[in-house]
Amino acid sequence: EVHLLESGGGLVQPGGSLRLSCAASRFTFSTYAMSWVRQAPGKGLEWVSGISGSGDSTFYADSVKGRFSISRDNSKNTLFLQINSLRAEDTAVYYCAKDTYCTSISCGAFDYWGQGTLVSVSS
Amino acid sequence: QSALTQPASVSGSPGQSITISCTGTRSDIGDYNYVSWFQQHPGKAPKLMIYDVSDRPSGVSNRFSGSKSGNTASLTISGLQAEDEADYYCSSYRGSSTLIVFGTGTKVTVL
Repeated sequence: EVHLLESGGGLVQPGGSLRLSCAASRFTFSTYAMSWVRQAPGKGLEWVSGISGSGDSTFYADSVKGRFSISRDNSKNTLFLQINSLRAEDTAVYYCAKDTYCTSISCGAFDYWGQGTLVSVSS
Repeated sequence: QSALTQPASVSGSPGQSITISCTGTRSDIGDYNYVSWFQQHPGKAPKLMIYDVSDRPSGVSNRFSGSKSGNTASLTISGLQAEDEADYYCSSYRGSSTLIVFGTGTKVTVL
């Protein structure tokens, strides 16, 4: 069964940075587009960023553009999200998610999700 | 980026059918057949229930079905069961820099 395991979350002060990781296993990682989706406490889901299977194409929600950077290391089956200039409104559980079949762009059919990693931004 | 619009809550009795709507625009639901539905139980990661408007992943009950008309997608749960009580989110490909947009979420209560 496909497995996704996020790490790297924590408590950080406003303006700080974090690097989230998502270790993938039991599927051909480089074949599939991947995304990060976040959920603020008690709120709904928000797509944050996506990357093609090759890593050549990246996409961002307007709310994080310029502050977040997505990348992947296909040799290590790992997805990353570099988060800079953190704000209180970035507080959320961050999930990594695998696209069902899309490779060059995310189609939003996320068939596997990690358990999430909590990012808390507070002074 | 504005979210897709869903009713805040929908309820039904065991065995009944319920339908959750998801309203977008011509720029997302109206133009693309990349509509998905997710089920989320408290404290758990979302689970894909429907993708590409009406396709069901392997292992998802055929009590769940999806459809689309114009700018509105719908999820129907037939033969409602206690285990269906959860939050449900739609999503759509938007084709702009913000690739994917989610719905506001619907809490389903089984009476």
